[in-house]
Amino acid sequence: QQQVKQSPQSLIVQKGGISIINCAYENTAFDYFPWYQQFPGKGPALLIAIRPDVSEKKEGRFTISFNKSAKQFSLHIMDSQPGDSATYFCAASMLIYGQNFVFGPGTRLSVLP
Amino acid sequence: NAGVTQTPKFRVLKTGQSMTLLCAQDMNHEYMYWYRQDPGMGLRLIHYSVGEGTTAKGEVPDGYNVSRLKKQNFLLGLESAAPSQTSVYFCASSRQSHSGNTIYFGEGSWLTVV
Repeated sequence: QQQVKQSPQSLIVQKGGISIINCAYENTAFDYFPWYQQFPGKGPALLIAIRPDVSEKKEGRFTISFNKSAKQFSLHIMDSQPGDSATYFCAASMLIYGQNFVFGPGTRLSVLP
Repeated sequence: NAGVTQTPKFRVLKTGQSMTLLCAQDMNHEYMYWYRQDPGMGLRLIHYSVGEGTTAKGEVPDGYNVSRLKKQNFLLGLESAAPSQTSVYFCASSRQSHSGNTIYFGEGSWLTVV
């Protein structure tokens, strides 16, 4: 129940295309869902996050879509750029327990020029 | 503006050797964490701390010990290294918050146990 599933494992997109990464969780007590972006040789960094009281959150070219009934959330990257090539991790946590996150296994995104 | 600093960045150990990974943060964060990252496994929590002098086990604590004697430092120890502990280790920190907060990660420590 603590798992967060993530797909696809890897993704190749042409420049200007839309990248979509999907995550699913089982534990309905999760109430905070961030996405982290990691470049090679670096630590992950927060990209965007959502609470389950909204169905969508947009920041620039990055959008999280959240489906509470399906226990799924996804990251959409519009107008994908080669600079977006990185590994993306979805995560989930229960805020009442502080910041102990469960991370998905990651998606390696490659955006071709 | 250092953020979270880890040392060493790279280390090769022989099976059975011991070592300590050092983590320092300059953001006055209450929470600190040690994660390991393995291919296809994401980030798994080893140990964490909610304040100076406190530590708690995460998802994969076996074979590791930690200490947080000062608020800004969180040490991860391997008493008797095993090849299964070959991994990339990330230290992280965050503020205490029940409204959602950012975890700040260090740049990682690459450990190989031969």
